[in-house]
Amino acid sequence: GDSVTQMEGPVTLSEEAFLTINCTYTATGYPSLFWYVQYPGEGLQLLLKATKADDKGSNKGFEATYRKETTSFHLEKGSVQVSDSAVYFCALGGGGNKLTFGTGTQLKVEL
Amino acid sequence: SAVISQKPSRDICQRGTSLTIQCQVDSQVTMMFWYRQQPGQSLTLIATANQGSEATYESGFVIDKFPISRPNLTFSTLTVSNMSPEDSSIYLCSVGDVGASYFGPGTRLTVT
Repeated sequence: GDSVTQMEGPVTLSEEAFLTINCTYTATGYPSLFWYVQYPGEGLQLLLKATKADDKGSNKGFEATYRKETTSFHLEKGSVQVSDSAVYFCALGGGGNKLTFGTGTQLKVEL
Repeated sequence: SAVISQKPSRDICQRGTSLTIQCQVDSQVTMMFWYRQQPGQSLTLIATANQGSEATYESGFVIDKFPISRPNLTFSTLTVSNMSPEDSSIYLCSVGDVGASYFGPGTRLTVT
């Protein structure tokens, strides 16, 4: 069945550092891929998405490119801020908007 | 994107009791989903709530434990029955809209 593997956290960075959170997937067909973010004490928010191979999703300075050849959807940001501290979930969209989530990666950004 | 609200936002319940969580969406949607997020864990799909038919449950989840209602296209309820401390989780309602899924704020349940 479908599965998502993402790097374990927590990831601790200094402000303005470059961020990469790795995500790989296993799926049949051509699923949509998503990154969701959960800020402390808040609900889950859609950060970005990509629906087909080579698509790049972007939002709030974050980017991720749908790489079919490596079955990956790594999240990147060039310069993180303290306000980016959150838990980031990679997810795969199955039929009918059902999602399969990775385990989540906690990001801590320090001054 | 759809605006989703849930009630209650949190509750503390005693083992053996049941809690019903409500999910309201500001637009009509065909399918609604219920997820569980156990402490420090990722999200796991419990079931898909279909309007006009029985809910479809994922492996490991059964209707007797998590009965779901879907009386119309904007509302659903999830009941957590005969609760035990292992049911302490955040329960989230989700809907699909234009190629993405959106989530309610969640209901944080603690079972003592």
